[in-house]
Amino acid sequence: QKEVEQNSGPLSVPEGAIASLNCTYSDRGSQSFFWYRQYSGKSPELIMSIYSNGDKEDGRFTAQLNKASQYVSLLIRDSQPSDSATYLCAVKTSYDKVIFGPGTSLSVIP
Amino acid sequence: GAVVSQHPSRVICKSGTSVKIECRSLDFQATTMFWYRQFPKKSLMLMATSNEGSKATYEQGVEKDKFLINHASLTLSTLTVTSAHPEDSSFYICSAAGGSRDTQYFGPGTRLTVL
Repeated sequence: QKEVEQNSGPLSVPEGAIASLNCTYSDRGSQSFFWYRQYSGKSPELIMSIYSNGDKEDGRFTAQLNKASQYVSLLIRDSQPSDSATYLCAVKTSYDKVIFGPGTSLSVIP
Repeated sequence: GAVVSQHPSRVICKSGTSVKIECRSLDFQATTMFWYRQFPKKSLMLMATSNEGSKATYEQGVEKDKFLINHASLTLSTLTVTSAHPEDSSFYICSAAGGSRDTQYFGPGTRLTVL
């Protein structure tokens, strides 16, 4: 089992819809979780971080964390074509290493 | 805040030469810096982790004598690709982290092409 897994893409959603990106991790002791966005040919940029169970909202983005299920998700409301990118989930493990998932490619169709 | 710069953004060099890439945290002190490489349409691959003032920790399979990392201060880390070959052509990205949460902030990346 890989340490951080993300739902395979590419994920296509129509403009204005909700995009749901999922991530699971294997280390139960993980405490810090991050979502990054990476446009093609560019480096990743931090969208948000989450540390406690529940939801965390920032504008159109909502991160959801469920440590019991070892699951973290990112919801993008009112998806825009400019949201088309690869989304990376990152998890800081109990042994102090940040592991990145393989990424999910999102395409928002106008 | 949390700005990381990287220089150069793009470099083309001949096979056998060495290339140095600089990574700077501009508005925070980075206790840890990371170096990644990424091939087209592939995942980030962590190459090494460096802490200020100490030797870098390299990931399995990464040649430390080929990829020299120096983290001389809390705001600067360098990666030197020695005796570069065409297979070293890639997108090299640094990130910097400071504080207990260890959020990583990425530099804009350096695209290396070895002819």
